[in-house]
Amino acid sequence: DTAVSQTPKYLVTQMGNDKSIKCEQNLGHDTMYWYKQDSKKFLKIMFSYNNKELIINETVPNRFSPKSPDKAHLNLHINSLELGDSAVYFCASSPPTGTEKIYNEQFFGPGTRLTVL
Amino acid sequence: QQQVKQSPQSLIVQKGGISIINCAYENTAFDYFPWYQQFPGKGPALLIAIRPDVSEKKEGRFTISFNKSAKQFSLHIMDSQPGDSATYFCAATFHPNTGNQFYFGTGTSLTVIP
Repeated sequence: DTAVSQTPKYLVTQMGNDKSIKCEQNLGHDTMYWYKQDSKKFLKIMFSYNNKELIINETVPNRFSPKSPDKAHLNLHINSLELGDSAVYFCASSPPTGTEKIYNEQFFGPGTRLTVL
Repeated sequence: QQQVKQSPQSLIVQKGGISIINCAYENTAFDYFPWYQQFPGKGPALLIAIRPDVSEKKEGRFTISFNKSAKQFSLHIMDSQPGDSATYFCAATFHPNTGNQFYFGTGTSLTVIP
């Protein structure tokens, strides 16, 4: 009954490879996000995706692309992996704006540690 | 640029002491200010949050103080415990039609010494 799940938990790969990280939420939320957390613990927003509208952090290389097959999933595809992509990637979701309950809460997944060799 | 500024970067407190983490923001469109707690190997989780129409919110040992005019808010952890050792992130949010947007501070690594 995990709220936000990610797979895999660990991903080790060679430079230049293409890889994907999957994210699923069973909370009925309509906005999902991807964050990158580096070794200094900085949480950098990469994308937010709401009702099929994508907001991209302009600093994110176009090698990164989110794909949403449906409202409950937002997968992250990374092409031509580089050493600097090594980090922990978090998926998150939040409820629709204006929902009466804690409408601003963001629920995070457990993270995927990506290591590029 | 960093929309939410957080300090200190790291904090060491004795058990039973008070931990204080400060944040500042500029964008007056922000209307909700949550704090997240992250333990090693886990994702951040909501700890406590405040709306700008109140100056203080307390939940157990955790208190947020909010100063709207100064655009500053802080987290106070009373009677700090070793189990509070974690990374703490302040955040600010607003709500365009494209969905809730979150801006996080740079994080504070708290260590509580037994």
